[in-house]
Amino acid sequence: DAGITQSPRHKVTETGTPVTLRCHQTENHRYMYWYRQDPGHGLRLIHYSYGVKDTDKGEVSDGYSVSRSKTEDFLLTLESATSSQTSVYFCAISELSGPTDTQYFGPGTRLTVL
Amino acid sequence: GDSVTQMEGPVTLSEEAFLTINCTYTATGYPSLFWYVQYPGEGLQLLLKATKADDKGSNKGFEATYRKETTSFHLEKGSVQVSDSAVYFCALSVGSGGGADGLTFGKGTHLIIQP
Repeated sequence: DAGITQSPRHKVTETGTPVTLRCHQTENHRYMYWYRQDPGHGLRLIHYSYGVKDTDKGEVSDGYSVSRSKTEDFLLTLESATSSQTSVYFCAISELSGPTDTQYFGPGTRLTVL
Repeated sequence: GDSVTQMEGPVTLSEEAFLTINCTYTATGYPSLFWYVQYPGEGLQLLLKATKADDKGSNKGFEATYRKETTSFHLEKGSVQVSDSAVYFCALSVGSGGGADGLTFGKGTHLIIQP
């Protein structure tokens, strides 16, 4: 298994509060991704990173920001959580970038915004 | 834009039955195709992949063939087991030439195998 951990694994918060999710990898892979999983939508890309301090937006980036100050950590922040951000969040990593390269997923964080 | 279409289910089969989960795609470029599996309470695991037309990916008795002419990547298994019960996601990746390539996923197919 790829060495990917996510923290916390479960979180319940209230609307309007800030929330930060952490993804940590021990594989030294350059590329990291945040997805959200919702019923009827599959997984959708929020943000991705192609190196330390290099990040870009995905399909559903509104309301989210990310940071990557070290190769091993990729943080996802909800500045002011809303109920529509209740979801399961997955981090993924890949060694290379390109359509043929495999992404490996972490165990997920279940976030509930009340 | 790019998209993946797959049956959502649930698909319910008896043990030892033949499995087919259909997956079709539209893509602006030449994609690679993937099947991921998600067991209850877990993250996604790569099941198999194919990176060019007519390639066959296989793993754990599952197979899928990249059919460019029909834009399809159907997942098959000859004899399913109760332990195959899970959600299966078809996904594609197209090289963007940018910094990284996110995956485009289908909505997932919930498979239930009954003893």
